[in-house]
Amino acid sequence: DAKTTQPNSMESNEEEPVHLPCNHSTISGTDYIHWYRQLPSQGPEYVIHGLTSNVNNRMASLAIAEDRKSSTLILHRATLRDAAVYYCILSKDRDDKIIFGKGTRLHILP
Amino acid sequence: EAEVAQSPRYKITEKSQAVAFWCDPISGHATLYWYRQILGQGPELLVQFQDESVVDDSQLPKDRFSAERLKGVDSTLKIQPAELGDSAMYLCASSFGLAGYPSYFGAGTRLSVL
Repeated sequence: DAKTTQPNSMESNEEEPVHLPCNHSTISGTDYIHWYRQLPSQGPEYVIHGLTSNVNNRMASLAIAEDRKSSTLILHRATLRDAAVYYCILSKDRDDKIIFGKGTRLHILP
Repeated sequence: EAEVAQSPRYKITEKSQAVAFWCDPISGHATLYWYRQILGQGPELLVQFQDESVVDDSQLPKDRFSAERLKGVDSTLKIQPAELGDSAMYLCASSFGLAGYPSYFGAGTRLSVL
């Protein structure tokens, strides 16, 4: 299975943009890139996903490199409520199974 | 907004007792997952259902764990007998079961085995 590599932790200041990187150098052509986050004491929450093109929704933006070997989750204006563990996950075509890695723990500084 | 319902939210049991967790997925979602999350780690997939059929249970400890989804809607995960190492958060998720569609998670059941 294609794997992802994320930094263990990151810090950002409140009200500033946050760029969370993810490397997936062994991604195959039909793998979707998903991002989930998990706030303390809650179940994981879907954030965004994409295949080849950049994606935007009300929560975040997903920037996918042209060769698809990396992607970046962008939170445009971080709030304290965005402090969570963020998981970058690849899912295969015809199988939407979500397999979690260790993720990036995001700390937001007031 | 539709949600995945799980109960109970918390369960305390003694070693060697039986425990059961219930999950009601979002209406219309064919795929249902059970995950286990040990504190400080990412969720680990235990079992995947497509309607009432098990698609993947390769990580389910079958000597003590069982899962069913008899009518292809709600599901039950059982542990018998519980061991100290089973203390964890048990999460249920559901999805349409199509490539590229997101999964939606419940709030989980926190199990403590004493």
